[in-house]
Amino acid sequence: DADVTQTPRNRITKTGKRIMLECSQTKGHDRMYWYRQDPGLGLRLIYYSFDVKDINKGEISDGYSVSRQAQAKFSLSLESAIPNQTALYFCATSDIKNTEAFFGQGTRLTVV
Amino acid sequence: AQSVSQHNHHVILSEAASLELGCNYSYGGTVNLFWYVQYPGQHLQLLLKYFSGDPLVKGIKGFEAEFIKSKFSFNLRKPSVQWSDTAEYFCAVTAAYNTDKLIFGTGTRLQVFP
Repeated sequence: DADVTQTPRNRITKTGKRIMLECSQTKGHDRMYWYRQDPGLGLRLIYYSFDVKDINKGEISDGYSVSRQAQAKFSLSLESAIPNQTALYFCATSDIKNTEAFFGQGTRLTVV
Repeated sequence: AQSVSQHNHHVILSEAASLELGCNYSYGGTVNLFWYVQYPGQHLQLLLKYFSGDPLVKGIKGFEAEFIKSKFSFNLRKPSVQWSDTAEYFCAVTAAYNTDKLIFGTGTRLQVFP
């Protein structure tokens, strides 16, 4: 089984709909991250969390919210999806010193 | 805040050619540096990292990178590329004394032709 699992892997949704992307990890790490990947822009940090009570905004948090339900689970929500949120979304985890980040397989989200 | 620049957006090489991908970072303090690779359709994986010590670090699959502090650079190299090296390569940085955020460059797409 993968260390970091994202669901769904692919999703097409309509403008204005609410959608949740889920991430779970078996690494036992406290740190979890959500990134989005766009061609030519690399990976940009949306939100990150160091434990269930510690949520932090990243570079591009507008239009997104997150929930850390447990050490192993970190969900990303788009309250009202818009087309420019079409992207590949990655969840990642790391240890406390960030010596290596472990990524999920990604969720390809299309907003039409 | 730290940032990362990768000036090569798309590199095309023939097999056996040598590779060097540029990475420059912007940060006034001590940094930890990483190269990640993303093979087509897959997630990112760590290729190599530099925290301290020997500025020439070796990673998996014959890759190496050299940290040049005076140039704020951490270029990735491989003497002879293979078709299987076709992938996207990302340089990333964290501040050494505040590792909260891992900041990525925009990536370099490498295509290797047989």
